[in-house]
Amino acid sequence: DSGVTQTPKHLITATGQRVTLRCSPRSGDLSVYWYQQSLDQGLQFLIQYYNGEERAKGNILERFSAQQFPDLHSELNLSSLELGDSALYFCASSPRGGGARNSPLHFGNGTRLTVT
Amino acid sequence: TQLLEQSPQFLSIQEGENLTVYCNSSSVFSSLQWYRQEPGEGPVLLVTVVTGGEVKKLKRLTFQFGDARKDSSLHITAAQPGDTGLYLCAGVESGYSTLTFGKGTMLLVSP
Repeated sequence: DSGVTQTPKHLITATGQRVTLRCSPRSGDLSVYWYQQSLDQGLQFLIQYYNGEERAKGNILERFSAQQFPDLHSELNLSSLELGDSALYFCASSPRGGGARNSPLHFGNGTRLTVT
Repeated sequence: TQLLEQSPQFLSIQEGENLTVYCNSSSVFSSLQWYRQEPGEGPVLLVTVVTGGEVKKLKRLTFQFGDARKDSSLHITAAQPGDTGLYLCAGVESGYSTLTFGKGTMLLVSP
């Protein structure tokens, strides 16, 4: 058990809809990272938050947004969903905000999103 | 193009065999990590290497970071069915802070 909790485990929705994925980091971890995993692209970095502030941005679409709350949990909002957004979405946490250089990431078990 | 290229993409072997998987890039990395991911779960960190030429051992797994810090390999001795999973390498490019993953090598070890 990594200590990172993601909900829900599975989500099935229709094109055009909006969903919210939730992540609770490990106790004491200040950084939260969001990744998208698909068969063709692999694990793609979306965005990182550290102690409530956006720290780094990756290949995140404009239709997607995230935030980290004062209690350090994070939410990833996906809107105007398309079939191609179907993927596994992972949250990871680490103690520090300096990136993953010396601070390994602890991943949750992901949310499987299916857009129909 | 993928920053980190992993090969092979898929490997199916018998229990007891040895294997090596590779992670290559044209970029220099300040550190490189190896993760294993099992179905229905998130990736789990196996090792971090930070020094060019570094070799780390974890039981039957041997990890090597290239001298130029552009590539890495993972060697498994006497593979067991419990080694089955997706092996992912991930690196932090020099001057950056985010972790970039390769697409992984799917390993299947049959009894």
